[in-house]
Amino acid sequence: GENVEQHPSTLSVQEGDSAVIKCTYSDSASNYFPWYKQELGKGPQLIIDIRSNVGEKKDQRIAVTLNKTAKHFSLHITETQPEDSAVYFCAASIPNYGGSQGNLIFGKGTKLSVKP
Amino acid sequence: NAGVTQTPKFRVLKTGQSMTLLCAQDMNHEYMYWYRQDPGMGLRLIHYSVGEGTTAKGEVPDGYNVSRLKKQNFLLGLESAAPSQTSVYFCASTRTGGRGYTFGSGTRLTVV
Repeated sequence: GENVEQHPSTLSVQEGDSAVIKCTYSDSASNYFPWYKQELGKGPQLIIDIRSNVGEKKDQRIAVTLNKTAKHFSLHITETQPEDSAVYFCAASIPNYGGSQGNLIFGKGTKLSVKP
Repeated sequence: NAGVTQTPKFRVLKTGQSMTLLCAQDMNHEYMYWYRQDPGMGLRLIHYSVGEGTTAKGEVPDGYNVSRLKKQNFLLGLESAAPSQTSVYFCASTRTGGRGYTFGSGTRLTVV
């Protein structure tokens, strides 16, 4: 089955710096890669996603890149702010056919701390 | 539009007690999921459902049961709680597989 590895487990940056979180996946059939942000005491919230037919996607200060050949994808946050401090999860899913239900497989999370 | 609502938000159980966690969604989503979140372990899938009346096992189903009698509700049951089931439980839903999930705010369960 699919396996998703996420690094680093913790990341500390100064306000204004960039932050990069990386994930690798094992199943080359995976075609959907969302990222979630979880603030303290809350449920994960989808912040950006990318499909396998796209190499990069941006939304204001966040961007996600996908390298299908190497089977890895990354979250980039520019001009970090204290409110970006949270736990970030990557995930991957394989297509919804052939017995798969398209379930998301999550990485173990990265705790990002942005210091003022 | 409430999204995904979980009840209760907090609960303390004694070992051996039973309880049911309720998840309700108002987005007409077909798929619903129950995850548990433990420190350093990420989100682990307990059970899921791909439609009303269906359920399936996830990665860590032992000690839990689920039911999806109505499309909007997904119940997670603990028949005989154990300290190892101390965790934060999250419910999620999505329209179909292979899409982003909408998560509830979680239930923090402590078994003593």
